Amino acid sequence: NAGVTQTPKFQVLKTGQSMTLQCAQDMNHNSMYWYRQDPGMGLRLIYYSASEGTTDKGEVPNGYNVSRLNKREFSLRLESAAPSQTSVYFCASEGSYNEQFFGPGTRLTVL
Amino acid sequence: AQRVTQPEKLLSVFKGAPVELKCNYSYSGSPELFWYVQYSRQRLQLLLRHISRESIKGFTADLNKGETSFHLKKPFAQEEDSAMYYCALSDSGGYQKVTFGIGTKLQVIP
Repeated sequence: NAGVTQTPKFQVLKTGQSMTLQCAQDMNHNSMYWYRQDPGMGLRLIYYSASEGTTDKGEVPNGYNVSRLNKREFSLRLESAAPSQTSVYFCASEGSYNEQFFGPGTRLTVL
Repeated sequence: AQRVTQPEKLLSVFKGAPVELKCNYSYSGSPELFWYVQYSRQRLQLLLRHISRESIKGFTADLNKGETSFHLKKPFAQEEDSAMYYCALSDSGGYQKVTFGIGTKLQVIP
């Protein structure tokens, strides 16, 4: 049972480049989330998916897109990276008691 | 709109001293509240939730609806408690959207 996995762990991009962050969970959870973590700002919700085939915007969705490929996988795409998107990104899935299970995070730097 | 407030960005205590990490919330319905912990360079993990009323690693938290608070307490701090602590609120009235506080860094001084 791997729980929630994320790839890559680290990434450096140049402004304007694109990339996709991958997330998968093996706990058969319906809901999945993407957050960004910034110093002094805590965790902010980017997008979430209540179930396969549905996605919704969170607090800070601008500059991001998501895909809920199937029940296991929820990817986050940066189409044109900007320095303001330098952050640590966490994927999470939600358990039966509304608790969140987090992945290990992706540390992204945009130059 | 739901909101979670953690008023202290940093809390420093000596080993063996009591710890209280404050969390206040704003929510119109019946909230579900959680504490998550993040040790250095690790993923966030659930510490405890108010529904289960359990004690994990010596930590407890009581939901006070009158004061809209969910403070995290431990009678005697240990060095291994040094970490970031996040209070979170889940919307129980439909879709379970979660709101996190900005976090409090607990530093236990040996």
